[in-house]
Formats: sequence, structure tokens, C-alpha cells
Amino acid sequence: EVQLVQSGAEVKKPGDSLTISCKGSGYSFSTYWIAWVRQMPDKGLQWMGVIYPGDADTKYNPSLGGRVTIASANSITTAFLQFSSLTTSDTAVYYCVRHKSGVLHPLAGDFWGQGTLVTVS
Amino acid sequence: DIQMTQSPSSLSASVGDRVTITCRASQGINYYLAWFQQKPGKVPKSLIYGASSLHSGVPSRFSGSGSGTDFTLTINSLQPEDFATYYCQQYNTYPFTFGGGTRVEMK
Repeated sequence: EVQLVQSGAEVKKPGDSLTISCKGSGYSFSTYWIAWVRQMPDKGLQWMGVIYPGDADTKYNPSLGGRVTIASANSITTAFLQFSSLTTSDTAVYYCVRHKSGVLHPLAGDFWGQGTLVTVS
Repeated sequence: DIQMTQSPSSLSASVGDRVTITCRASQGINYYLAWFQQKPGKVPKSLIYGASSLHSGVPSRFSGSGSGTDFTLTINSLQPEDFATYYCQQYNTYPFTFGGGTRVEMK
């Protein structure tokens, strides 16, 4: 059974750093892309970026201004979303999403993690 | 960035109705279009990929069509569990972008 299990809710202060995680199981972790999607309170979905654990190829949404880093560790089948200096506007639920690998780029997402609520206050 | 525009932003419907949601891309995205369903407080669920292919386990009353810039999600015979918000997403060009969502409410 494919599962993406995310780390628990976090409460942080502005300026803090934070890393949240997404552990994949039930499939070949290194051969699927993992994307991160943000959902601010009562808002829609925003694509943040994606990583291919097989070679660490990473793409980011430029609108994030370089404030986040996406990483992965194949040995523990886990992807990470790192924030360098949180602001109150980072308050949101963060989801990881598995994407099949296409010839040129990821295909559509299929499995979602349960979400991690990050509160910055 | 490719802008994804969904319409309507919300609609009211009754059980048994046929519902159609449209999604327009600001430039051509071939058929690299996905649809997701999200209920309040829940994780989004993947419904459709490649504009028209259903993910495993998705009821056949859901269907998708379109290519290029114009796409539709149709729900035939709306069921009580279908009241939710629906999002489209293009995955043709980075950054992948979502539509603003369509809320399907009970009339």
C-alpha cells in the first residue's frame, strides 16, 4: 500500500527555521517525484516545488522567492521541506504529493500525504 | 506562469444533477491537466489525470475532457458525497499551477 506520512503540526515564531518531512512507503521511493503543495487558511492550493529523489533534480515555484528548500534522503525514503526564516504568511497546511515520472517531467500527482499544519505566530 | 481559470467559482446543485466545471489555461498545456476533489478539513483526492483518465477507485460518474486550453470536469448524477471543492492543475510547464477552485454546494 502506497503511503506518504508527514511529520506533525508545528507552532513557530517569526524568524524561526523549520523542516517538515514526508516519508514514503509501499513503492520505489527514488523513482517517483515528490511535490509540496501549500494551502493557506481558507484558500486554494499552491504548488511549491518538486524533487526527484533518484537524482535530486529539484524545481521551485519562483513566487516563493527562494525562501524554501526541498530535499530528500533515499536511505530513509523521506522528502523534506525546509524554511529558513518563517513569517506569519507561512501559516498554512503543507501537503506532499507523489507524482509518476514522465519522459520530460513529472506526470500528475496521485497519492497525497495527510498534511502538516504550520502555525507561525 | 500559466494561469488556470476555473468557472464557476461556486455552484449550487441537487443530488442527481449533472454538474459541469470548466478550467481554462492561459496557454496550451496539451492534455497535462489533473482534477482534484477536496472536502472541508480533508486531504485533496486525485480524481483525473491526463485530462480524461480516472484514477483507480474514482466513480465512473466523474469524467474529464479537453485538450490545449479548455477543459471540463463533469459529474453525472451528483451524489451526496460529491459536495466539495474541485481544483484543476496543469503539469505541462513549471511552475505547475492550480485553478482557484469550484465549490459545489447543496441547493
